[in-house]
Amino acid sequence: NAGVMQNPRHLVRRRGQEARLRCSPMKGHSHVYWYRQLPEEGLKFMVYLQKENIIDESGMPKERFSAEFPKEGPSILRIQQVVRGDSAAYFCASSTPADTEAFFGQGTRLTVV
Amino acid sequence: AQTVTQSQPEMSVQEAETVTLSCTYDTSESDYYLFWYKQPPSRQMILVIRQEAYKQQNATENRFSVNFQKAAKSFSLKISDSQLGDAAMYFCASGTYKYIFGTGTRLKVLA
Repeated sequence: NAGVMQNPRHLVRRRGQEARLRCSPMKGHSHVYWYRQLPEEGLKFMVYLQKENIIDESGMPKERFSAEFPKEGPSILRIQQVVRGDSAAYFCASSTPADTEAFFGQGTRLTVV
Repeated sequence: AQTVTQSQPEMSVQEAETVTLSCTYDTSESDYYLFWYKQPPSRQMILVIRQEAYKQQNATENRFSVNFQKAAKSFSLKISDSQLGDAAMYFCASGTYKYIFGTGTRLKVLA
């Protein structure tokens, strides 16, 4: 059973471009969570999704950021018009409805130049 | 607001010795979980140990154990017989479906 898969592992974007980060949850997991880790800080919750539904987006910046988890395919975190301050590691985690533990992917390091 | 505080930015321990990492938290949840995660340079978040808040018994996983003091909202991690491979960032977290993380403690293991 493969773990949570995130791609790409590293992503470089110029200011103003769009960044798309992908997350394939573990097999059988229907809940996905996105976290952001700024340099030298802990992870900060961004959004919690179930298939085709956003359950809690209280940690998402109001502008430029969006997330989806379609019925088929991976979850996508989309950042439009990236700025230098978006440079961070973005982690995805997944769980089943019954899990109290979320399993983390290896993260995508986004660098905005 | 829920918070998790790790007051030790960095700790060092001699190989084979014991070290304790501190964590305090604040939550309005009545039922929640507490976690310690290890993050090596690879960036992978590895679950070290988990504690259900409703359980009084402290969780143990091999060389790793916790001291959970619910009234004091304290959740420290004890690493016994430290090994070089234990060197990493350690994050304390609390929550139910979404986790609140502390700022981490960098653990150095000295040979």
